[in-house]
Amino acid sequence: QSALTQPASVSGSPGQSITISCSGTSNDIGSYNLVSWYQQRPGKAPKFIIYEVSKRPSGVSNRFSGAKSGNTASLTISGLQAEDEADYYCCSYGGSSTVFGGGTKLTVL
Amino acid sequence: QVQLQESGPGLVKPSETLSLTCTVSGGSISSHYWSWIRQPPGKGLEWIGYIYYSGSTNYNPSLKSRITISVDTSKTQFSLNLASVTAADTAVYYCARLIGSPYYFDFWGQGTLVTVSS
Repeated sequence: QSALTQPASVSGSPGQSITISCSGTSNDIGSYNLVSWYQQRPGKAPKFIIYEVSKRPSGVSNRFSGAKSGNTASLTISGLQAEDEADYYCCSYGGSSTVFGGGTKLTVL
Repeated sequence: QVQLQESGPGLVKPSETLSLTCTVSGGSISSHYWSWIRQPPGKGLEWIGYIYYSGSTNYNPSLKSRITISVDTSKTQFSLNLASVTAADTAVYYCARLIGSPYYFDFWGQGTLVTVSS
């Protein structure tokens, strides 16, 4: 199963909003509302920030939101802060298997 | 708060078997799924496979022929064996807990770098 497709990098200024896309197929994102997102700061383990496309685990800021349309999921971060600078990975169930995106590096200018 | 800690050799020779153990603390290993994920240096995440506490498993099809994941509930540990390794298996290996039956990785270990080299 192929990895999900994410842009290599995005950037934004503090206070702005950015959106990271995650493109899959009808075999994964298109068929299941089982998309999750993870934030990974340099040298650290990934952190769970979104599940079931748009739900936030307890303790995750409401500045993070998720959505899905067709075979593409997206993560929006509003009110950008310096601490949001990190790599972001999408993940989807693909029918007996799990697949990650290639990751997107977010730079806060 | 659940904590996970990977342990095992940091250097493995080509063609040998990579063996890692994840120790779970702060919570029960029962009634949960447990997974291994890896990340080659400078690259993205790759799901390796998972095991239910009862012992049932599901593996990444691309690695299935070389993987064995096992669980020892008495020690609150689960383990990964990856056979016939090559340099392409060099990566940070993470263990994680799965939730949502099981679709989401909610708690992660800190990761351990395994280098394949002679």
